[in-house]
Amino acid sequence: AQKITQTQPGMFVQEKEAVTLDCTYDTSDPSYGLFWYKQPSSGEMIFLIYQGSYDQQNATEGRYSLNFQKARKSANLVISASQLGDSAMYFCAMRGRDTGTASKLTFGTGTRLQVTL
Amino acid sequence: DAGVTQSPTHLIKTRGQQVTLRCSPKSGHDTVSWYQQALGQGPQFIFQYYEEEERQRGNFPDRFSGHQFPNYSSELNVNALLLGDSALYLCASSLDRGHNSPLHFGNGTRLTVT
Repeated sequence: AQKITQTQPGMFVQEKEAVTLDCTYDTSDPSYGLFWYKQPSSGEMIFLIYQGSYDQQNATEGRYSLNFQKARKSANLVISASQLGDSAMYFCAMRGRDTGTASKLTFGTGTRLQVTL
Repeated sequence: DAGVTQSPTHLIKTRGQQVTLRCSPKSGHDTVSWYQQALGQGPQFIFQYYEEEERQRGNFPDRFSGHQFPNYSSELNVNALLLGDSALYLCASSLDRGHNSPLHFGNGTRLTVT
């Protein structure tokens, strides 16, 4: 079974500051993918960044970077230079390699980020 | 390049009724998955369709069924609606089922059961 844990129900950050959203995971799959999604109030899930379990380097996509620590089973999202438009729910998710786990994304409970002036 | 489109955007139904939700995947994608997101929760996997067959199913009762058409579009059907079925239903598509393929989601259908 796969499990994603996001322990921060809500976070505040000032505009232009950096913020880290925590994510820990548990899986028995030897190979897996980790994802972060943003969900504004409109409801759409927007893909932000992907990290493969065997990738040597941490993933980056513009202002988003993923701090991947495999031994600690953590995949924290770092948003640099926060903008008001970053205010949303953020979900960490994973997919496994095996037949049963590759078909689906397992999501955490999410972190609500509020960017303030 | 059209993304994932879902219809309708909102729906209100009465307990015991049946509902059909529709999804068109992102252009070039052949795999469609459905998720249920209750208020304040993360999405929960319902099932996945590939090559017009249900390939994997989450922990949902048989009241939840689906279909995938030759053009890769998909439907989610829910019979005998319960109050607890009220949720945002998200459709997601991907190019393949590998673990490194990100799912692209639609805006969802918000279902209210009264």
